[in-house]
Amino acid sequence: TQLLEQSPQFLSIQEGENLTVYCNSSSVFSSLQWYRQEPGEGPVLLVTVVTGGEVKKLKRLTFQFGDARKDSSLHITAAQPGDTGLYLCAGARGGNKLVFGAGTILRVKS
Amino acid sequence: DAGVIQSPRHEVTEMGQEVTLRCKPISGHNSLFWYRQTMMRGLELLIYFNNNVPIDDSGMPEDRFSAKMPNASFSTLKIQPSEPRDSAVYFCASSFAGGSEQYFGPGTRLTVT
Repeated sequence: TQLLEQSPQFLSIQEGENLTVYCNSSSVFSSLQWYRQEPGEGPVLLVTVVTGGEVKKLKRLTFQFGDARKDSSLHITAAQPGDTGLYLCAGARGGNKLVFGAGTILRVKS
Repeated sequence: DAGVIQSPRHEVTEMGQEVTLRCKPISGHNSLFWYRQTMMRGLELLIYFNNNVPIDDSGMPEDRFSAKMPNASFSTLKIQPSEPRDSAVYFCASSFAGGSEQYFGPGTRLTVT
């Protein structure tokens, strides 16, 4: 049973399109992180959200933490081929142990 | 600054052989994590250490797997004997104790034939 459910599992879009990836749980997390992983490399931390309702922006990426701290979304505006990769959400429930979602594979075609 | 360093990057071995994966965490980090990633199961936590002490090894699949952290700058994950189902990418990550942000190494791709 996956504590963190990510959707969609796979997304293939054209350059310039917008997209949203979701990360949902029935559990409350003290913080939630988003990572991006490219083939042959380890996951790289993009952002950490801590407060319910928090919104963080990283250039064309917008991250939101749900009010109840159970879910999160990642929105990418005007996707580019360089955004291609595996996007992972990970929740912390106190301490430094993380629970990872299964990931969303994003492919942006030029 | 150097990130998390893992070696080897690739390992191909025959079933029954012993495999040792190595990790050097980021200097100053006092938590270290070993993960396994496969297409079927995604990223799974195997074990983690705080200040060189194993805290949670509930993810270690069976007794064939063992991990050590003899000092703050080095950890090993050993599989003995290895089996084809152990084939996966193994990641090491480190963080500050009490902090949740983890920094991953490049991984070791293990193939057991």
